[in-house]
Amino acid sequence: DTEVTQTPKHLVMGMTNKKSLKCEQHMGHRAMYWYKQKAKKPPELMFVYSYEKLSINESVPSRFSPECPNSSLLNLHLHALQPEDSALYLCASSQDTLAGVSYEQYFGPGTRLTVT
Amino acid sequence: DAKTTQPNSMESNEEEPVHLPCNHSTISGTDYIHWYRQLPSQGPEYVIHGLTSNVNNRMASLAIAEDRKSSTLILHRATLRDAAVYYCILRDWDFGNEKLTFGTGTRLTIIP
Repeated sequence: DTEVTQTPKHLVMGMTNKKSLKCEQHMGHRAMYWYKQKAKKPPELMFVYSYEKLSINESVPSRFSPECPNSSLLNLHLHALQPEDSALYLCASSQDTLAGVSYEQYFGPGTRLTVT
Repeated sequence: DAKTTQPNSMESNEEEPVHLPCNHSTISGTDYIHWYRQLPSQGPEYVIHGLTSNVNNRMASLAIAEDRKSSTLILHRATLRDAAVYYCILRDWDFGNEKLTFGTGTRLTIIP
């Protein structure tokens, strides 16, 4: 099974709402990632988790809060978002992050978020 | 972060080979070259990656210049399903973590 699943597929939320995005993989991968993709732009890295610990935060505003409850699951908690945060949020995983080796990343289909 | 340069768009005829170029003149010795593609309304899909030697897999071939300042992704026989945005990426290494910084990519159109 080489699938990364993301739920929900679509989400509409108001600026005062709290919501969460969920990502799951069962490939035994130890690295997981959140990306944000605006329309007609390339994906931009937000967070990297390695062995369930947050290892990279690309200066993402605190209204985005990631969480990795276990090695298969990655959440992104959203609170007090702005309309400009509307985008496709992509989750990815890779086998590991070992020095001297490079692994492919497997991407989910994304959650399309609209903030009203 | 290391940078890549790709043409904004390319066209190719169906069932013909496609050569997608990428320049990465600032590449360092430990940077891997990755290629991903993104079909409409889907997440990116891994295509191939390499370090120094040419690489082949079931999807494509990656030809890396001897000085590693450029590379070419080769689709041997394009199909309509290969129409996508193709991203050439240099893998960054950040405090023990691998990260991919996507460039603007090449939009490939396949002509039936």
